[in-house]
Amino acid sequence: GQQLNQSPQSMFIQEGEDVSMNCTSSSIFNTWLWYKQEPGEGPVLLIALYKAGELTSNGRLTAQFGITRKDSFLNISASIPSDVGIYFCAGSRTGNQFYFGTGTSLTVIP
Amino acid sequence: GAVVSQHPSRVICKSGTSVKIECRSLDFQATTMFWYRQFPKKSLMLMATSNEGSKATYEQGVEKDKFLINHASLTLSTLTVTSAHPEDSSFYICRVHNLLNTEAFFGQGTRLTVV
Repeated sequence: GQQLNQSPQSMFIQEGEDVSMNCTSSSIFNTWLWYKQEPGEGPVLLIALYKAGELTSNGRLTAQFGITRKDSFLNISASIPSDVGIYFCAGSRTGNQFYFGTGTSLTVIP
Repeated sequence: GAVVSQHPSRVICKSGTSVKIECRSLDFQATTMFWYRQFPKKSLMLMATSNEGSKATYEQGVEKDKFLINHASLTLSTLTVTSAHPEDSSFYICRVHNLLNTEAFFGQGTRLTVV
């Protein structure tokens, strides 16, 4: 099935730094979701976006639904060691079938 | 609390045996559930869509006779890996979909190791 382009593929950052990652699609989506997956666990929903231009925060995490509806961004401010994991975006046209990004592996160096 | 319960979290089985993985929706009824497979450091690969009361829809390249899916009720879907081989070793994850708000929730995943 279709996969979304997610970048960067991996990031190694110092604790306290901000993180940005994005996801792009060749087609328009009506819903964007962002997940975090830790080793051996299923992905956990972080933020859900439903409208173009929408900006939503969850603690130190902020995600935006791109104006073109073909992209989305996730920012993490003041990273901490427990932010380590793989972050996935997911987009949907129908709200039922979701397409997933290739993932961004985040490593935070204390 | 958890929205989706997936069981078992880990299973080791011998080649040739079958393994059943359960996915339960705890908070809402789910007419549709999804099964994914994930290889190390890779994204989620959709295997099949499980439909309550009807046959599952399999993605291209996924053997329906090997990966049996049963969606017996509005809160339970099962994936059975039949005649397992070492190459079936992987992380299997289910997802349920809340029609009310279009949020999608994953199970905790099942690490299958076939020896």
